[in-house]
This record gives sequence, C-alpha cells and structure tokens, in this order.
Amino acid sequence: DSGVTQTPKHLITATGQRVTLRCSPRSGDLSVYWYQQSLDQGLQFLIQYYNGEERAKGNILERFSAQQFPDLHSELNLSSLELGDSALYFCASSVEGGGETQYFGPGTRLLVL
Amino acid sequence: GNSVTQMEGPVTLSEEAFLTINCTYTATGYPSLFWYVQYPGEGLQLLLKATKADDKGSNKGFEATYRKETTSFHLEKGSVQVSDSAVYFCALSDRIQGAQKLVFGQGTRLTINP
Repeated sequence: DSGVTQTPKHLITATGQRVTLRCSPRSGDLSVYWYQQSLDQGLQFLIQYYNGEERAKGNILERFSAQQFPDLHSELNLSSLELGDSALYFCASSVEGGGETQYFGPGTRLLVL
Repeated sequence: GNSVTQMEGPVTLSEEAFLTINCTYTATGYPSLFWYVQYPGEGLQLLLKATKADDKGSNKGFEATYRKETTSFHLEKGSVQVSDSAVYFCALSDRIQGAQKLVFGQGTRLTINP
C-alpha cells in the first residue's frame, strides 16, 4: 500500500458526459501528479500540482482539468468524454516534486461507452 | 525529448530462470532512473531506483545498475518466481518547466510458469 488513495476504483459512463476523479496523496506529500494509461499511448503524464498550484502540464487535453485543494487532495475533471478517453488514470504523490520518488495510487479505471 | 525504450514483450520464463529486461534511455543531463511493477489488477509500485551513474538499485532480489556509458538500466533477477508475473515499467525523471515528471517505457509483460 503506497498511501495514495484514489476514488472511484471503476467508472462507467457515456460519451459526452463529465466525470471527476479524486486523489488523496500520502501524508506529508505536497505534490500530486496525474497520469493516463491507455493501450495505444502507454503511460503518459498529464499534469502536476504542488501545494495547490499547477506546476507542469504534459499531454493533457483541453477538455480535462485538475485542481489541488488546501487539504492537498486533488481532482481530475474529464468533460465531453469520448470513447478514446477510456483508460486507467493514476494519481501519484511525492514530498516536493523536484525529482524524488513518486508513489502511485491504485488507479481509476474509466470506461466510456 | 527524453525517452525510454524497453525490451519488447511478452516474456515467458520458467520458475527459477534468470531474468533480464532491457531498458535504454535518451536524456539530456543525468536523470534518476526507476523500475516500477504493476501486478494484475493493481496500480504501479516502485520496485527500485538509481539516482546517479554506477548506482545499483535493488529490491526483492531484483537489481539494476545505472550505466551512463551505455545509457542503460537493465533489470535482472537471478531466480524468478511465479509471483513475479507482472508488467514491468522502466522510467526516468524528466525536468520540465522547473518541475518533474516521469517518462515511462512501454512496459514488458512477464509471465513465470511453474
């Protein structure tokens, strides 16, 4: 158990809908990262937050957004969902975000029908 | 940009066989290198890491050495077990915009038969 929690574990929804994925980092970690794992793209970095502020953006679509709250939990919002958004979404956390180890949550499996 | 290339899978071995999963990287500077493992139905777990050239990471009988001259970080285990069946990901830390992200290889699925 990494100490990073993610909810829900599974999510099934329809095209065009909007969903919110939630992540709680390990106790004491200030940085949260979101990754997408799909069959065709592999594991890709989406976005990083550090202590409530956006720090870095990767291959995140404009339909996707994230935020980190004062209690350091983070949410990833996916809107206008398409079939191709079906994937496993991982959250990871680290102490600061400058190059140390990232610890991953169990992931949320999203299926868009 | 920085990238990681892993040995194509799937890899199937018998129990107690010797394991090598190749990983090479392209990077500017000197990134940290990681191996993560994903067991069926689970998330990613850190297996081992190395932060500078010639460092050896080790855990649960697995080892990998950071080789700057060959830009490699091959994963090895002397005697695999059925419980080692999983997908293994090699990754490097990549600095962007003053922050850090992980760049992953495509993953190698390992199956160990009794």
